[in-house]
Amino acid sequence: GQNIDQPTEMTATEGAIVQINCTYQTSGFNGLFWYQQHAGEAPTFLSYNVLDGLEEKGRFSSFLSRSKGYSYLLLKELQMKDSASYLCAVMDSNYQLIWGAGTKLIIKP
Amino acid sequence: EADIYQTPRYLVIGTGKKITLECSQTMGHDKMYWYQQDPGMELHLIHYSYGVNSTEKGDLSSESTVSRIRTEHFPLTLESARPSHTSQYLCASSEGDRDGANVLTFGAGSRLTVL
Repeated sequence: GQNIDQPTEMTATEGAIVQINCTYQTSGFNGLFWYQQHAGEAPTFLSYNVLDGLEEKGRFSSFLSRSKGYSYLLLKELQMKDSASYLCAVMDSNYQLIWGAGTKLIIKP
Repeated sequence: EADIYQTPRYLVIGTGKKITLECSQTMGHDKMYWYQQDPGMELHLIHYSYGVNSTEKGDLSSESTVSRIRTEHFPLTLESARPSHTSQYLCASSEGDRDGANVLTFGAGSRLTVL
């Protein structure tokens, strides 16, 4: 079966750096997405990786290793507003999105 | 401003009632989706559409139906609500090719409680 694994919850301190990991086993691969979802709100797009390597976008970076079935989202200079759930999703060979359960990130002052 | 709207945001309803969750987008996107999301769980695709008069079932077995008569409108209907339907329902849309890695734009969600 197809599977996406990410930690259920993580805690970090304001101003610090946090890395949220995502491992996947899917039928084919057509890219990996990260979305941010604040409590009670809609998910919003953060990043897309289809080739191996690091994509940087401001304070957020996303890394992909297709051979290892692994990605991470790196958040730098954490702010209180970064408290949210971070969803990892992989597009399989049929261009269907397989979603992880999300990682709830708690930022402490 | 281009956006995607869902109504109602919150609904509490009795068992056996028929309900329709509305979803409209102003972005002209061809592809639209309905997802179900429970707390701490992954999103599950219920239905999707590639365009007008196109509807497909997702990976989650559901007693709901959808229609796509206009590009901008993709309503979800439950003919007879049950407590097991209690959940958050998210509508989304995307542009691009039928088979493509397209970014989803989500609505704010409809939180349904069936008593």
